Amino acid sequence: QKEVEQNSGPLSVPEGAIASLNCTYSDRGSQSFFWYRQYSGKSPELIMSIYSNGDKEDGRFTAQLNKASQYVSLLIRDSQPSDSATYLCAVNSAGGTSYGKLTFGQGTILTVHP
Amino acid sequence: NAGVTQTPKFRILKIGQSMTLQCTQDMNHNYMYWYRQDPGMGLKLIYYSVGAGITDKGEVPNGYNVSRSTTEDFPLRLELAAPSQTSVYFCASSYSGVREQFFGPGTRLTVL
Repeated sequence: QKEVEQNSGPLSVPEGAIASLNCTYSDRGSQSFFWYRQYSGKSPELIMSIYSNGDKEDGRFTAQLNKASQYVSLLIRDSQPSDSATYLCAVNSAGGTSYGKLTFGQGTILTVHP
Repeated sequence: NAGVTQTPKFRILKIGQSMTLQCTQDMNHNYMYWYRQDPGMGLKLIYYSVGAGITDKGEVPNGYNVSRSTTEDFPLRLELAAPSQTSVYFCASSYSGVREQFFGPGTRLTVL
């Protein structure tokens, strides 16, 4: 059973702080990893994609991937109230095929309070 | 460039009725997907397609059917609607099997 687990929430941080979101996955053959942000009543919006070990930075967002530990994380620096949303970790569990089926975690609710 | 569009936005069905959820993308993506999202849950894959004429089941296909006659369109058919199909349905598309997926705005379906 291919699984993606996210740290249980909800996560509450003060404005300006760093928010840390974590995700583990079970399929060692996974090739690509994504973080989506979903506001209430809206569709998932891609925040970050990462394909190789290490860090990838985009503005206030940093994704970290460690394939040996089967762990991917998202750091949000200088958190803003507008970052309050549900964050979904998604892992490509193609397992060697090219079908690109994403397995999603259950999501972590982030609240940034002023 | 509208991206991924879905119709309708909302729908209420009676038990046993049927309907088709429409999905269209204008990005020339070969890969298209249907997901459902229940309250407080992640997304579950219903069906996917890797190109026109090619579809396959995902994690929760029972009660649904799909077809893919063109690159742009990927409709989802619900036959004999049941209360368990009350959910939000998202269509997504992708350039390749390992790249990011782009989501449509969703259809909120209630079966009473």
